[in-house]
Order: sequence, then C-alpha cells, then structure tokens
Amino acid sequence: GNSVTQMEGPVTLSEEAFLTINCTYTATGYPSLFWYVQYPGEGLQLLLKATKADDKGSNKGFEATYRKETTSFHLEKGSVQVSDSAVYFCALITGTSYDKVIFGPGTSLSVIP
Amino acid sequence: GAGVSQTPSNKVTEKGKYVELRCDPISGHTALYWYRQSLGQGPEFLIYFQGTGAADDSGLPNDRFFAVRPEGSVSTLKIQRTERGDSAVYLCASSLELAGESYEQYFGPGTRLTVT
Repeated sequence: GNSVTQMEGPVTLSEEAFLTINCTYTATGYPSLFWYVQYPGEGLQLLLKATKADDKGSNKGFEATYRKETTSFHLEKGSVQVSDSAVYFCALITGTSYDKVIFGPGTSLSVIP
Repeated sequence: GAGVSQTPSNKVTEKGKYVELRCDPISGHTALYWYRQSLGQGPEFLIYFQGTGAADDSGLPNDRFFAVRPEGSVSTLKIQRTERGDSAVYLCASSLELAGESYEQYFGPGTRLTVT
C-alpha cells in the first residue's frame, strides 16, 4: 500500500544550524509529494510540494526535491530560526485526486537560541 | 479571510456516550475532509465529501463513525458509543474543487476528543 516514512524526532538544533528531515515513500503510480508544518497551537499548513520527479518545492527557505530513484523527498533548510520550531509532516497523494492525503508520522523540531 | 473552523476545540466524554464534532469549511470550498490524528502520529484519512455526498468514506474505522454534510457546507462527524481508543484530535480540511479536480487542502485547528 501507499505509505510515508520519516526520520524519528525530536530534533533539536541551535539557531542558524542546517536542517535535514528525511522522508521516503512507497506508492503506486506517480504520487505528488508534500511537506506540511504544524506550529504549536495552530492547524496544519502546506509548506511546499512537488508533483513530478526532479521537481524542487521551496518556501520560507525550506526546500525538498522529488527523487523518484530513491523514493525520497527530504526537507532541508540552510539556517533554521527559533520560529521554525514545529512538527513537520511528509505526505503524498496518488494520482491527480487531492482526496486522501497520506501522512508520515511527523518529526518534531525544536530550535534553541 | 476566515479559515476552516472546528467546534468544540476540546471535548471530554465518558465511554459509551455519543459525540458530535462540527466543521465549518472555507466559504466556497466544495470539498471537505475529515482526518484523525492520534498522539505522536500523522493524520489519518476518514472521509471525503464532494458537496453533500460522501465521495470516499473508506477511512471510517467502523459503523460507530458517521459524517454528514446536508447543505454542502458545514459538516458534522458523529461518533456513537465512544470508546477510549477514539481519543484523538479530529481534523477537518476543505478545498476548492473545479472541473473534477481538487486543490490544496486547508486544515482547521482540530477538535481534541478525550474519552474517559
């Protein structure tokens, strides 16, 4: 079946450190891939997405590249800030339909000054 | 503009009771989704509405769970004979749907359900 695996957290980094959160997926066909973020006390927000192989999604300094050969979509940011502290979810949908987003378990990130 | 809203934000109920959770989608969004997020896990899909009808209810765990959207806007998730295992955050999302294709889902803040 379709599934998403993420690196386990919690991840604690100092401000301005480099961030990588690993994500791999299993899916039939050609999925679209997403990173969602959940800030404390807020709802899930779409952070970035990529809809086909080799696409790079980017937003707010975060980037992720859709790697079909390794079935991966790792999230990176060159210099994290305290305000980036949140839970990050890798997710996918299969086909062109946006129903039934399949989420990974989430990775909690804490950035300390 | 207003986002997706959910009420109540917290609900504590006793095992065996009936609960209703409400979702107000973004105005004009024809697609509506319910997810359940257990502690330490990602959200899991429950049901998807196109307008008033349930287009996909394959994620509902059993027949104690039911959802309606009678006028194609507000939706209510209903849980009968609640069990402690139903404790979770229930998330609602909505999206535009044009020409049969859906777009980005916008999530509400969730309802935290605790069954004692």
